[in-house]
Amino acid sequence: DIQMTQSPSSLSASVGERVTITCRASQRISTLLNWYQHKPGKAPKLLIYDASNLQSAVPSRFSGSGSGTEFTLTISSLQPEDFATYSCQQTFTSPYTFGQGTQVEVK
Amino acid sequence: QVQLQESGPGLVKPSETLSLTCIVSNDSFSRVNYFWSWFRQPPGKGLEWIGSIYSTGDTINNPSLKSRASISIDTSKNQFSLKVNSVTAADTAVYYCASEARVRGTGPFHDFWGHGTLVTVSS
Repeated sequence: DIQMTQSPSSLSASVGERVTITCRASQRISTLLNWYQHKPGKAPKLLIYDASNLQSAVPSRFSGSGSGTEFTLTISSLQPEDFATYSCQQTFTSPYTFGQGTQVEVK
Repeated sequence: QVQLQESGPGLVKPSETLSLTCIVSNDSFSRVNYFWSWFRQPPGKGLEWIGSIYSTGDTINNPSLKSRASISIDTSKNQFSLKVNSVTAADTAVYYCASEARVRGTGPFHDFWGHGTLVTVSS
């Protein structure tokens, strides 16, 4: 299985700050990398697909980049509703695998 | 917009079978480029993909469950289901269903999800 490693596992940030989360794959996965946001008791939300494509209705402050084995999710200006857990997922090959998640907390 | 809702028992005894159903809104099963997927998230751990099914009944599964999991679909009822047999405490998790888009020129991605349902395995 392809192992996905996210860093950091958690971070504290203030509203308005720029936040960057990194995801590394144990082997090359082209750009087949998706990012999700999840909050307790709510449905996970797709933010970015295929490494850099913004899902419909997702605010433009979210962006993704990378290819091969290293990927980043950036929130350009953190908003109150963005405090949540973010997970990367590879769909290059089955079984699809996720990173362990990055929890973004209020500083 | 696709809406999904998981349902099923919240408590299952060890060695028994966990059964969950996901009801999908409208005529979403008619979408030709969609699969339908199950995931789970054990307490304090990351998400795990269990498997996916197409409207024809073709499935792909995660070998990590060692064939204990099976997914079926009933397009006439707009629902698909998950069964996991011989459960143990390690199967305690929030279980999610989701739609899996297969768009030409991109990889698969899961664009709509249910809210999840907690299943606890305990006697």
